[in-house]
Amino acid sequence: AQSVTQLDSQVPVFEEAPVELRCNYSSSVSVYLFWYVQYPNQGLQLLLKYLSGSTLVKGINGFEAEFNKSQTSFHLRKPSVHISDTAEYFCAVSDPPLAQKLVFGQGTRLTINP
Amino acid sequence: ETGVTQSPTHLIKTRGQQVTLRCSSQSGHNTVSWYQQALGQGPQFIFQYYREEENGRGNFPPRFSGLQFPNYSSELNVNALELDDSALYLCASSGLAGPYNEQFFGPGTRLTVL
Repeated sequence: AQSVTQLDSQVPVFEEAPVELRCNYSSSVSVYLFWYVQYPNQGLQLLLKYLSGSTLVKGINGFEAEFNKSQTSFHLRKPSVHISDTAEYFCAVSDPPLAQKLVFGQGTRLTINP
Repeated sequence: ETGVTQSPTHLIKTRGQQVTLRCSSQSGHNTVSWYQQALGQGPQFIFQYYREEENGRGNFPPRFSGLQFPNYSSELNVNALELDDSALYLCASSGLAGPYNEQFFGPGTRLTVL
């Protein structure tokens, strides 16, 4: 069965600093990979996804992620964070081609300090 | 375009009771998935409905059941509530259950079981 490990439960950073949120997944076969953001008292919003092709994926709000098949990782990065990026971030995996069910990690709480 | 909506927003029940949560899909979507997000955890897949039929189920007991209606709205029913059922229940809608279709999440229903 698929599993996702988010290596940091909390990440505090200062505003305008770079950030990396780490994600590893278990499968060695082809997968779809996702990063979602959850703001307080809201549902999940898709930040970016990897389906195939280029291993560097760009998403909304200046985020990007790199798919590394050999290390089974999909780390999320942003070169300069803002207070508004404070939220919970979830990495998820699903099986192609149907992507019927998403398997999520435990989440990383990103806190931006002024 | 109307997004995914869920009702009610919050609900308090006591152990042993039954609950029904409702979800309206995004316009044009015919597939609905339900997820349970316990406090401090990532969402877990409960089941998916496609054209009024269950189209995949996660590791949840039979007291979790669902329905999808001809207008593609959906209900999640939970019988014999347990304390551990306290969670945020998320509904996500997507297009045809074929090659990858993005799941769009609603804001969730927070269920508290006392």
